[in-house]
Amino acid sequence: EDQVTQSPEALRLQEGESSSLNCSYTVSGLRGLFWYRQDPGKGPEFLFTLYSAGEEKEKERLKATLTKKESFLHITAPKPEDSATYLCAVQASGGAQKLVFGQGTRLTINP
Amino acid sequence: GAVVSQHPSRVICKSGTSVKIECRSLDFQATTMFWYRQFPKQSLMLMATSNEGSKATYEQGVEKDKFLINHASLTLSTLTVTSAHPEDSSFYICSVAGEYNQPQHFGDGTRLSIL
Repeated sequence: EDQVTQSPEALRLQEGESSSLNCSYTVSGLRGLFWYRQDPGKGPEFLFTLYSAGEEKEKERLKATLTKKESFLHITAPKPEDSATYLCAVQASGGAQKLVFGQGTRLTINP
Repeated sequence: GAVVSQHPSRVICKSGTSVKIECRSLDFQATTMFWYRQFPKQSLMLMATSNEGSKATYEQGVEKDKFLINHASLTLSTLTVTSAHPEDSSFYICSVAGEYNQPQHFGDGTRLSIL
């Protein structure tokens, strides 16, 4: 069974304090790993797709990396507006396009 | 990415009422859409895959007679919660699937509260 585990469950940082969020996964053949940001009361907003180990993607203060067992979302010098829940999801190869989500990391950036 | 509109954003109704939620793909012809449910402080759980012109595929444990899905066109899928009860109160979110390997894009969700 495909599984995604995110850690930590919650993280509080001071503005400017860099850190990383972890997403560990087991999947029967990875088609893609996706990172989303979700604000309270809203649907997830797409951030990155990673397809193979060693791949990296960057967007503003965020950088996502991928190995064969886990993905990291690095946040550099975060700002209060980066506060949100960050969700990781995997899509397995073999037909269906459905996603399996992790529990998410609730990130709070204090000014 | 695809622009997805979900309506209504919030519903409050009495136990026993049936509630319909609409999910529209505004700029993309979607043969496949997905319906998720999210309880407070929990992640998204896939309920069903909605296929245009054919029957939806439900995940294990999801009652197909309670959660009716219709995907009659390439831009609209609907989820009807029939005879809703308080335990059905949740945040329901739809998504549109793009091409192979492309990310799903999500609507802004519907907060359903059953009294």
